[in-house]
Amino acid sequence: QQQVKQSPQSLIVQKGGISIINCAYENTAFDYFPWYQQFPGKGPALLIAIRPDVSEKKEGRFTISFNKSAKQFSLHIMDSQPGDSATYFCAASKTGGGNKLTFGTGTQLKVEL
Amino acid sequence: GAVVSQHPSRVICKSGTSVKIECRSLDFQATTMFWYRQFPKQSLMLMATSNEGSKATYEQGVEKDKFLINHASLTLSTLTVTSAHPEDSSFYICSARQAGATLSGNTIYFGEGSWLTVV
Repeated sequence: QQQVKQSPQSLIVQKGGISIINCAYENTAFDYFPWYQQFPGKGPALLIAIRPDVSEKKEGRFTISFNKSAKQFSLHIMDSQPGDSATYFCAASKTGGGNKLTFGTGTQLKVEL
Repeated sequence: GAVVSQHPSRVICKSGTSVKIECRSLDFQATTMFWYRQFPKQSLMLMATSNEGSKATYEQGVEKDKFLINHASLTLSTLTVTSAHPEDSSFYICSARQAGATLSGNTIYFGEGSWLTVV
């Protein structure tokens, strides 16, 4: 059972554009929603995360938008750069769940010049 | 930030042999470590949760006798793939949860991963 659905599978954006990746979850017990960035052959690195008590969180060029009623959250990358080209994973976990992360299926982002 | 080191980063082994992958938290103590498996262009699949001083908890469908996990200290967990077969070839990634931290997810740090190729 895929508890966190992610789209699109791949995304091509022009340099300077906005990259948007969406995720939807099923388990209403989830209360922590991180985004990870993974470069080829490397482990994932935490990019930004949000809890459901806020609807938006911004860190630099990265913004998470969260819609609790729709059980959806998204990552926006402003002013996308070629160096942002990577695979992005959304994830979710729940308090008391032992910090077990359930990952989305991933989005391959390519930022073209 | 906190660092989690995995070793080896790449390993090639013959079919039928066993191979051990180490996961170390370098500057913090980790009561819990997680082992994931990732196939090319796919997501991370949790294999097991490793708690220091106790038996690992395996996810459904993961053979505990094939993927032996030991978490003998607060800074080291090992994954041993026993009687490896070509279908075990994959990218194995560990993550570690800092001891004493809150349940906030940003206390989980990932290693760089280990590529296993079974020939």
